[in-house]
Amino acid sequence: QSVLTQPPSVSGAPGQRVTISCTGSSSNIGSGYDVHWYQQLPGTAPKLLISGNSNRPSGVPDRFSGSKSGTSASLAITGLQAEDEADYYCQSFDTSQRAWVFGEGTKLTVL
Amino acid sequence: QVQLQESGPGLVKPSETLSLTCAVSGYSISRGYYWGWIRQPPGKGLEWIGSMYHSGSTFYNPPLKSRISISVDTSKNEFSLKLSSVTAADTAMYYCARVEAVADNWHFDLWGRGTLVTVSS
Repeated sequence: QSVLTQPPSVSGAPGQRVTISCTGSSSNIGSGYDVHWYQQLPGTAPKLLISGNSNRPSGVPDRFSGSKSGTSASLAITGLQAEDEADYYCQSFDTSQRAWVFGEGTKLTVL
Repeated sequence: QVQLQESGPGLVKPSETLSLTCAVSGYSISRGYYWGWIRQPPGKGLEWIGSMYHSGSTFYNPPLKSRISISVDTSKNEFSLKLSSVTAADTAMYYCARVEAVADNWHFDLWGRGTLVTVSS
């Protein structure tokens, strides 16, 4: 069980907005460590989606945005498209485990 | 552009040592960056295994630390993972990745395609 908690699944219709939460604690997000997000399309390697809480790497559509507050972070996807159907993972550093940790992942289904 | 490619045996026997290599193209490892390994058991989430700097300094995930060794060969522009005393629980897709490090705020900005390693007799 990860120290970063994500909902197992979320869903939305094309064009809608969905959010994925990543809840941590005072030993990780709450200590000021950045949260990063990855998208893993079926059968492929993860791809960096958001770095440093809210920064989109070149090539990532602005439909994807990230935010952080307190001990939690969120990934928002607007204008949902079928190609967004994937697993999404948050990642940060945990001082208790002294390791870079990932959330357990959230499966996004586009209805 | 920078690319990473994992290679190694797809099948390892229990109690033996898993050995993987990550070849980096389009960038010289000796110029900088940290480099690392992440794994993903079938149908499960991601686990950071360990990372190293081009100079050779290493950082390992504590639960795996006693069984891991990560090394670099700058002459071949590749880095390697050795995981000893493997069990079925080590069966996973293994990814190598480049680490963008700002203090302790590391993230993995480039990934290889991954290589599946199965531990079975």
